[in-house]
Amino acid sequence: QSALTQPASVSGSPGQAITISCTGTSSDIGGYNRVSWFQQHPGKAPKLVIYEVNYRPSGVPDRFSGSKSGNTASLTISGLQAEDEADYFCCSYRGPSSYVFGTGTWVTV
Amino acid sequence: QVQLVETGGGVVQPGRSLKLSCAASGFTFRNHAMHWFRQAPGKGLEWVATISSDGTTNYYADTARGRFTISRDNSKGTMYLHVNSLRPDDTAVYFCAREPYLVIGVATFYFDLWGQGTLVTVSS
Repeated sequence: QSALTQPASVSGSPGQAITISCTGTSSDIGGYNRVSWFQQHPGKAPKLVIYEVNYRPSGVPDRFSGSKSGNTASLTISGLQAEDEADYFCCSYRGPSSYVFGTGTWVTV
Repeated sequence: QVQLVETGGGVVQPGRSLKLSCAASGFTFRNHAMHWFRQAPGKGLEWVATISSDGTTNYYADTARGRFTISRDNSKGTMYLHVNSLRPDDTAVYFCAREPYLVIGVATFYFDLWGQGTLVTVSS
């Protein structure tokens, strides 16, 4: 099961916007609107920040937004803040009843 | 307090078995499908297995099929992962996670609550 492709790292200054890409295939991202994004600080559990491509769970700031075009999904963090510095992983449903994660992107603020 | 707590990790010799537990609290455990994931040191996340809310249906990643068994006891609010014939490449932090629901038994395909993980180290 090949992982989804993400850039290893992305950086931005406080207040700026950054976008993380996540590239898969027609068997996962391109085939389903079942893309989610997770934030993970070192040594901590993953935290859901986006689900179903562009929905934010309650409590997640509206600085986080998601989108998808073809086989590529994207996470945008606007108004970057120091606490956003973390690893970010995308995840897509890849039927039947299986899931695949991205390689992960370290965001430096 | 809504939470998941994994236990059972440790240092294990290659070829041995291990049973991990995931204890749920603060929500109606029996209504949710549950999942196991793992993360090797310095690596990304990997989905391992899924169990339906009533425990009758299981799914496994190709890397887990045959050696891993997922199960749950809804009366105890606990999910398990039994791993046989452990190998060094099974070394990872193992996380459990909850899948939310709109209708019980209908998948929503994402994971909204995670435990802190339990580290399994396979080494002689």
